[in-house]
Amino acid sequence: NAGVMQNPRHLVRRRGQEARLRCSPMKGHSHVYWYRQLPEEGLKFMVYLQKENIIDESGMPKERFSAEFPKEGPSILRIQQVVRGDSAAYFCASSPILGGQETQYFGPGTRLLVL
Amino acid sequence: AQSVAQPEDQVNVAEGNPLTVKCTYSVSGNPYLFWYVQYPNRGLQFLLKYITGDNLVKGSYGFEAEFNKSQTSFHLKKPSALVSDSALYFCAVRVTDSGAGSYQLTFGKGTKLSVIP
Repeated sequence: NAGVMQNPRHLVRRRGQEARLRCSPMKGHSHVYWYRQLPEEGLKFMVYLQKENIIDESGMPKERFSAEFPKEGPSILRIQQVVRGDSAAYFCASSPILGGQETQYFGPGTRLLVL
Repeated sequence: AQSVAQPEDQVNVAEGNPLTVKCTYSVSGNPYLFWYVQYPNRGLQFLLKYITGDNLVKGSYGFEAEFNKSQTSFHLKKPSALVSDSALYFCAVRVTDSGAGSYQLTFGKGTKLSVIP
């Protein structure tokens, strides 16, 4: 059973470009979470999605950031007009059902570098 | 709001000695508590979790953690450290009540564990 898949693993963008990060949850998991890890920091929650629904986006910056989890295909985290402060590791996690007991399983992350 | 504190940025221990990585938390309500390990340039790997019941939780790779409600702590322990245990360890908390924010894991800043041969 494959784990959470993320691609690309590394992404370099120039200021003003768009970054698209993809996440495929574990098989059988329908809940996806995105977290951001800044250097020397712990992970910070960004958004929680189910298929075709954003459930909690309280951690998402108000501008330039968006996320989706379509009926078919991976979840996408999109960052428009990237700035240097967006440079970070972005992790996706998935869980099978909603509930505090459920473990969130993390992917390998996408490391975004904005030049 | 919930928070997690890992008071030590780095812990050094000799191979074969017991290790402890400290974690304290603050939540309004009952917590679910988790430990994850991160190796360089890798994602987080789940180690163990406390949900309810026995305060001593056993997890992967010989790790265990003890939930202490009165001290609001969830320290990670291992009786005998291995060099391969050297990594970054994160404690995380999640509230048990439903409602806004209850889906989120709140992480500490991490503790770098170095096991010296």
